[in-house]
Amino acid sequence: GAVVSQHPSWVICKSGTSVKIECRSLDFQATTMFWYRQFPKQSLMLMATSNEGSKATYEQGVEKDKFLINHASLTLSTLTVTSAHPEDSSFYICSARAPSGTTYEQYFGPGTRLTVT
Amino acid sequence: RKEVEQDPGPFNVPEGATVAFNCTYSNSASQSFFWYRQDCRKEPKLLMSVYSSGNEDGRFTAQLNRASQYISLLIRDSKLSDSATYLCVVNLWNYGGSQGNLIFGKGTKLSVKP
Repeated sequence: GAVVSQHPSWVICKSGTSVKIECRSLDFQATTMFWYRQFPKQSLMLMATSNEGSKATYEQGVEKDKFLINHASLTLSTLTVTSAHPEDSSFYICSARAPSGTTYEQYFGPGTRLTVT
Repeated sequence: RKEVEQDPGPFNVPEGATVAFNCTYSNSASQSFFWYRQDCRKEPKLLMSVYSSGNEDGRFTAQLNRASQYISLLIRDSKLSDSATYLCVVNLWNYGGSQGNLIFGKGTKLSVKP
């Protein structure tokens, strides 16, 4: 099946620093990857859609200068949280659309738990 | 109105029970429908897609009513391992410029007890 990995699985950083999260599709090429965020007891919220080789499309209310997304290859997308603050502490999950299966099926990475102190 | 609404739960049921989850969605342009399962502090995993004709996968049965914009999931003979949060998910193609955007409900927590 389609496998998506994320790294790191958890990270603790100090306020004001930047954190990079990697999302990789391990056994397929993903032209589109998605970045979600989930706060405790809340639903997953789409932050941005990332297409390989082009600029990411950000959802309303998500600051593109704070959450930098790079999708340089068909198997890797990165999310950088710049100048992180405690309110950025959350569970960040990426997903990738697999070329096989239904058009709208997405496979999720295991998530990255970010804690900003 | 929230885009995808689910029973808030939690549902606490004994092993072997039958349990049903309901979900409604607000955008009639929704194209595809899914149930995902999310274990505590883990990523969501696709449980099953939901088709207009209704579909079954073992102990799980999903139903879709487009006219009522209503989706359901029935779990029969529930197992301890079914304990998780079940997420109702719809796809809105070209909604707000996002392609293949999945909209998640908050989920319904199920706890199956021995």
